[in-house]
Amino acid sequence: QVHLVQSGAEVKKPGASVKVSCKASGYTFTTFDINWVRQAPGQGLEWLGWMNAYSGNAGYAQKFQGRVTMTRDTSITTAYLQLSSLRSEDTAIYFCTRSRRFDYWGQGTLVTVSS
Amino acid sequence: QSVLTQPPSVSAAPGQRVTISCSGNSSNIGNNYVSWYQQLPGTAPKLLIYDNSKRPSGIPDRFSGSKSGTSATLGITGLQTGDEADYYCGAWDTTQNSHVVFGGGTKVTVL
Repeated sequence: QVHLVQSGAEVKKPGASVKVSCKASGYTFTTFDINWVRQAPGQGLEWLGWMNAYSGNAGYAQKFQGRVTMTRDTSITTAYLQLSSLRSEDTAIYFCTRSRRFDYWGQGTLVTVSS
Repeated sequence: QSVLTQPPSVSAAPGQRVTISCSGNSSNIGNNYVSWYQQLPGTAPKLLIYDNSKRPSGIPDRFSGSKSGTSATLGITGLQTGDEADYYCGAWDTTQNSHVVFGGGTKVTVL
């Protein structure tokens, strides 16, 4: 049974960085890409980027270029999203999701950016 | 402003049918597969339809998807109170670097 379990809620000050983890289980981690999607309060879905879990190659949405980094540790089947230079508009729930189909989703991690 | 266009809301009585439209362009829907996601209140999105019209295991056949040109449609028949949720369409967009675009979401209300 596929599971993606994310790290807990974070509160950050403007200008800081946050790193969210996504622990995968129930499948061969390196077989599928991991995508990251966020949802601001009361808003829709926004894609941040993807990462090939086998090679570590990543592609980011233009809006986040220079601020986002996606990595993974295959030994512990965990993917990471790091977002830097946080601002209030980055307050959102961040989701990891598996494959190009987004077939399985993590439970979400609330990141609050507030002074 | 979302790249894909969905109606903000649709509603119908239990047992009825609703359809949700999703409009894009040749860079996304026109040349790539469409997926649909259901998001119940306070939960993560769930894949309902992929590759325009395919249902993952466990998704009832009350849910259907179709695509024509640069538009896609999600249909829900035999509407149930448990279907009250937000529904999003999504597709890869091959403008410049490939990226994913979503619709703004449609709230389905069961009257």
